[in-house]
Amino acid sequence: EAGVAQSPRYKIIEKRQSVAFWCNPISGHATLYWYQQILGQGPKLLIQFQNNGVVDDSQLPKDRFSAERLKGVDSTLKIQPAKLEDSAVYLCASSTHDRETSYEQYFGPGTRLTVT
Amino acid sequence: AQTVTQSQPEMSVQEAETVTLSCTYDTSESDYYLFWYKQPPSRQMILVIRQEAYKQQNATENRFSVNFQKAAKSFSLKISDSQLGDAAMYFCASSDMGGSEKLVFGKGTKLTVNP
Repeated sequence: EAGVAQSPRYKIIEKRQSVAFWCNPISGHATLYWYQQILGQGPKLLIQFQNNGVVDDSQLPKDRFSAERLKGVDSTLKIQPAKLEDSAVYLCASSTHDRETSYEQYFGPGTRLTVT
Repeated sequence: AQTVTQSQPEMSVQEAETVTLSCTYDTSESDYYLFWYKQPPSRQMILVIRQEAYKQQNATENRFSVNFQKAAKSFSLKISDSQLGDAAMYFCASSDMGGSEKLVFGKGTKLTVNP
């Protein structure tokens, strides 16, 4: 089965510019997560979708970050305008939200964002 | 709120030897899962092993096993017969079943395997 796909793999932008990341979860996975991983730290959840509804966006900086999951499949995460501290790896993960699999999350390869 | 602490920023082991990575956590939930993830330089997070909190038996997956001490809120990972391919960042994570089941990660331990 195909894994979680993300694009682009790398992105370099200047501060105050905007950027968008795309994620295609594993087919049939109802739950989709976006994590931010700053260098030297573990990933931190930004937003969680269940189908096309938001379950948790408590740590999403809503003044500059937005995310959508149209039709409950693909998702896009946008940053506008970007700040230097947004430099990080953005990881997308998906799961079946099934207790039998311990709600195992499958991760994509991530997008490394550098803001200069 | 959940917290996960990994107190060893870096560890090293000789090939074929055994190494143990430490993790402590805190949660107010009674129903939760614990995980160890591996992240090689390619950045792809790979699940190594998982433990359901209600199970007393420690989980094992081939050369990987955990020592789950629920009362002490400790969840260490033991890697036996270490291989060069085990070199990576290892993250401990917890997931509460009472909320969104989101993963809360520690800061990670960088494991180096020496030939």
